[in-house]
Amino acid sequence: GESVGLHLPTLSVQEGDNSIINCAYSNSASDYFIWYKQESGKGPQFIIDIRSNMDKRQGQRVTVLLNKTVKHLSLQIAATQPGDSAVYFCAENAAYGGSQGNLIFGKGTKLSVKP
Amino acid sequence: NAGVTQTPKFQVLKTGQSMTLQCAQDMNHNSMYWYRQDPGMGLRLIYYSASEGTTDKGEVPNGYNVSRLNKREFSLRLESAAPSQTSVYFCASRPSQGSHEQFFGPGTRLTVL
Repeated sequence: GESVGLHLPTLSVQEGDNSIINCAYSNSASDYFIWYKQESGKGPQFIIDIRSNMDKRQGQRVTVLLNKTVKHLSLQIAATQPGDSAVYFCAENAAYGGSQGNLIFGKGTKLSVKP
Repeated sequence: NAGVTQTPKFQVLKTGQSMTLQCAQDMNHNSMYWYRQDPGMGLRLIYYSASEGTTDKGEVPNGYNVSRLNKREFSLRLESAAPSQTSVYFCASRPSQGSHEQFFGPGTRLTVL
């Protein structure tokens, strides 16, 4: 079946440094990817998304890069702050049949920011 | 707008008991979803409803039933709870048109003893 996974389960960075969270996906037919942030005890929150016809998309302090050749997705957070400490999930669009529009989630990376 | 709301926030059940988790959204979204999240795991889809009046199984539907009561509400029922159903349950909704972004509720933490 399809899978969306992460290279590192945990990431610890110093406040002010840049963070890079990686994600590998297996379905080359996926046409949409999304990053969510989940703080402790809360539901996932949308961060940024990207369609497969793009390589890069920027938001406020965040950038998502998509490399379709190696089926790799990354989330870059600039000037990481303590409030960025959370678990980050990537997800891909299940672009098949009646499930189109459903998201398949990776297991998540826990980001810890040291003051 | 309250977004996606879920009740209850916490619940403890004994094995074999039944209960219904409630979810409502006030964003006029067409699609709604139920996920479970276990420690160290991502979100796994239990059931979804692409539109009012339709429901479909996701990745892990066994032991659950759902009802799309109307456009706003989508409930998840455990008929006979088992310890393996101890988890955090999230409801989400999506507009369906032109966006794949799902909006999540705060979750229900369920413990089955």
